[in-house]
Amino acid sequence: TQLLEQSPQFLSIQEGENLTVYCNSSSVFSSLQWYRQEPGEGPVLLVTVVTGGEVKKLKRLTFQFGDARKDSSLHITAAQPGDTGLYLCAGDPGNQFYFGTGTSLTVIP
Amino acid sequence: DAGITQSPRHKVTETGTPVTLRCHQTENHRYMYWYRQDPGHGLRLIHYSYGVKDTDKGEVSDGYSVSRSKTEDFLLTLESATSSQTSVYFCAISEFGGKSPLHFGNGTRLTVT
Repeated sequence: TQLLEQSPQFLSIQEGENLTVYCNSSSVFSSLQWYRQEPGEGPVLLVTVVTGGEVKKLKRLTFQFGDARKDSSLHITAAQPGDTGLYLCAGDPGNQFYFGTGTSLTVIP
Repeated sequence: DAGITQSPRHKVTETGTPVTLRCHQTENHRYMYWYRQDPGHGLRLIHYSYGVKDTDKGEVSDGYSVSRSKTEDFLLTLESATSSQTSVYFCAISEFGGKSPLHFGNGTRLTVT
């Protein structure tokens, strides 16, 4: 049983398009993090959200934490080839981080 | 980049043999974690440590043991490797646990034949 479900699992888009990745759960999280992973490397933290309804922006990336703290979304505006990678959400229900299944994004030049 | 070194980076072993993976950190962080990453499952926690000699199980701990005799080293041992343990293993560290970020090593690709 996966605590965090991410969708879509795979996404291939053209450079310049917008996209949204979703991270959903039936559990409440005290915080939620988003990571990006490139081939052959470990995940790297992008952002941590802790407050229900919180929105954080990182250049062209916008992260939102659901009001009930059960879900989150990542929106990328005008995607670039450098955004290609595996995007992972991770939630802390109180004692340890659980990771989602990941969204593999490919941005075609 | 956080100073995390995993060794070896690649290993092929036979079913039934013992295997030990090492994670070494230079950040003096209290928390250390071992995850495995498999297609369709994302990252799953095997074991974690919240201090020297203090460890606890994660969601997929069966068949694995860990030891932490020094702050900087966290060892993961497969006592008798099985093909289902073929995976990419990541070590991560965290300064305060809880909401503080995880910093990952570059992984060990283990193949059990």
